[in-house]
Amino acid sequence: NAGVTQTPKFRVLKTGQSMTLLCAQDMNHEYMYWYRQDPGMGLRLIHYSVGEGTTAKGEVPDGYNVSRLKKQNFLLGLESAAPSQTSVYFCASRQGGSSYEQYFGPGTRLTVT
Amino acid sequence: EDKVVQSPLSLVVHEGDTVTLNCSYEVTNFRSLLWYKQEKKAPTFLFMLTSSGIEKKSGRLSSILDKKELFSILNITATQTGDSAVYLCAGAGGTSYGKLTFGQGTILTVHP
Repeated sequence: NAGVTQTPKFRVLKTGQSMTLLCAQDMNHEYMYWYRQDPGMGLRLIHYSVGEGTTAKGEVPDGYNVSRLKKQNFLLGLESAAPSQTSVYFCASRQGGSSYEQYFGPGTRLTVT
Repeated sequence: EDKVVQSPLSLVVHEGDTVTLNCSYEVTNFRSLLWYKQEKKAPTFLFMLTSSGIEKKSGRLSSILDKKELFSILNITATQTGDSAVYLCAGAGGTSYGKLTFGQGTILTVHP
């Protein structure tokens, strides 16, 4: 099992450009999450999904959109990138129920110039 | 607003030392406290604690939760250079989507 994978691993964007980050999980998990990690601020939730076809806003959703058309995939889009979106982005998944353990992907380092 | 605070923010020790990392939390409808280890890439799961006073152990790592005082500690005995990492704790609240609120992390550096 690959677990949670993310593509790309690195990306540099110019201000105003758009891009999509792809997250895939092969554990048949219901829940998926997108976080960003900035120095000194821990992991902050951007958007999440509780199942195929459903998405919802997390703590810091502005400037991002998401889609979950297939259970195994969760896409994070930046429509018009800003330097404030320079960060490391992590995707995570979780089975559900009483276990709160989330499994994380390897991350995408995004720089917006 | 839910809040998780870790201390110290960074720690430098030598191999063989024992370290204690602290995590205090204020989480609405608290359910569990989780510890993760983050090296260069993805956070990897260490422990999930749900009951107060019951220690969880894995090798040289152990953790305990105090639900009355709202904190948890992670102990690492006989540290090795491979223990160098960022240690994250997260509080799980009773939301419908399994929200985790993360602390800032403790950066542990173990010198040979």
